[in-house]
Amino acid sequence: QSALTQPAFVSGSPGQSVTIFCTGTSSDIGDYDYVSWYQWRPGKAPKVIISDVSHRPSGISSRFSGSKSGSTASLTISGLQVEDEADYYCTSYRRSTIQVVFGGGTKVTVL
Amino acid sequence: QLQLQESGPGLVKPSETLSLTCSVSGGSLSSTVDYWGWIRQPPGKGLEWIGIISYTGTTYYHPSLKSRVTISADLSKNQISLTLISVTAADAAIYYCVRQPPRLWSPFDAWGQGTLVTVSS
Repeated sequence: QSALTQPAFVSGSPGQSVTIFCTGTSSDIGDYDYVSWYQWRPGKAPKVIISDVSHRPSGISSRFSGSKSGSTASLTISGLQVEDEADYYCTSYRRSTIQVVFGGGTKVTVL
Repeated sequence: QLQLQESGPGLVKPSETLSLTCSVSGGSLSSTVDYWGWIRQPPGKGLEWIGIISYTGTTYYHPSLKSRVTISADLSKNQISLTLISVTAADAAIYYCVRQPPRLWSPFDAWGQGTLVTVSS
């Protein structure tokens, strides 16, 4: 069982928006703004699409946005495209035990 | 361009020691302040952080693996290594070598392709 909880599957039609929630605790997500999201397409290396809760690295589409409320972080994909089909993982940092924690991953399917 | 390549035995017997190596090319371990580490993914499960080694040689490990794991760096070979003792079936996974900017909460910005480790007698 992963330290952070994500839904296993999320789907949407092209053009729609989907949101993936990542639930942690007050010791990780709820502690600091240290939440990152990875996009992992089959056969490709994971790509950071969000860091520090809501920061988009250079080159990442503005269709990806991140936020946090309490101990739950979320990733929203707006204007869903076929190329967005991938697994998405959230990650955070648990300062009390000095460890990185991951979610179990969410498979996004474009219908 | 930075490349990470994992290598090691694909099959390890229960109770024995798993040893993996990550060869770094396109960059030098000795000229960077980045962290280098390992992440694994058991079959059908999510990612699990194993640990990292900093540019000073300081290591940080997953609390549940701390008693069994060692991460080290060989600057002359530009490699980092993972040693996991007393393996069980629960250690079967794809093991990834990763780079992390020098904060434990920074996202991992480079990944190897991963190497599959099976634990079986």
